[in-house]
Amino acid sequence: QQQVKQSPQSLIVQKGGISIINCAYENTAFDYFPWYQQFPGKGPALLIAIRPDVSEKKEGRFTISFNKSAKQFSLHIMDSQPGDSATYFCAASRGSGYSTLTFGKGTMLLVSP
Amino acid sequence: ETGVTQSPTHLIKTRGQQVTLRCSSQSGHNTVSWYQQALGQGPQFIFQYYREEENGRGNFPPRFSGLQFPNYSSELNVNALELDDSALYLCASSADSYNEKLFFGSGTQLSVL
Repeated sequence: QQQVKQSPQSLIVQKGGISIINCAYENTAFDYFPWYQQFPGKGPALLIAIRPDVSEKKEGRFTISFNKSAKQFSLHIMDSQPGDSATYFCAASRGSGYSTLTFGKGTMLLVSP
Repeated sequence: ETGVTQSPTHLIKTRGQQVTLRCSSQSGHNTVSWYQQALGQGPQFIFQYYREEENGRGNFPPRFSGLQFPNYSSELNVNALELDDSALYLCASSADSYNEKLFFGSGTQLSVL
């Protein structure tokens, strides 16, 4: 059972454009939703995260939009740059005595110059 | 402040063998989690160690075991290796067991032939 579904699998965006990656979750007990960025040969790095008490969080060019009723959240990358080319993972976790993240399958983003 | 370091970077083993992977957590972090990332997939939670005790476990068989040492470094041991164990193994540290902000190392790429 895949608890966090991520789409699209891959994405090509022109430099300066907006990249949008979507995730949907099933477990209503999830209460923390981070996005991770992973470059080849590296581990995932935390990019931005949101909790269900807000509908949007913005940090620089990166914005998370969160829709609790639809159980969906998305990452928007404004003014996409070639350096943003990486694999992006959404994830979710719930307070259960220890922190564990359930990841989506990832989206490979290519920003063309 | 040092980040999460893992060793070795790459490893090749044959089916049935045993392997030990090592991780040094980020300075000041007392919790270590291990994840398995198969090719083209998101990381999957294996287990977490908090103050030298296993604090939570994902859906992995008992042949996956671990240790955490007094300096909070950690080992992941896998016995009776199977071909499907071929993956990137990621270690992540956090400030405590409830802290969802995970800092990942670059991983150990394990190939089982």
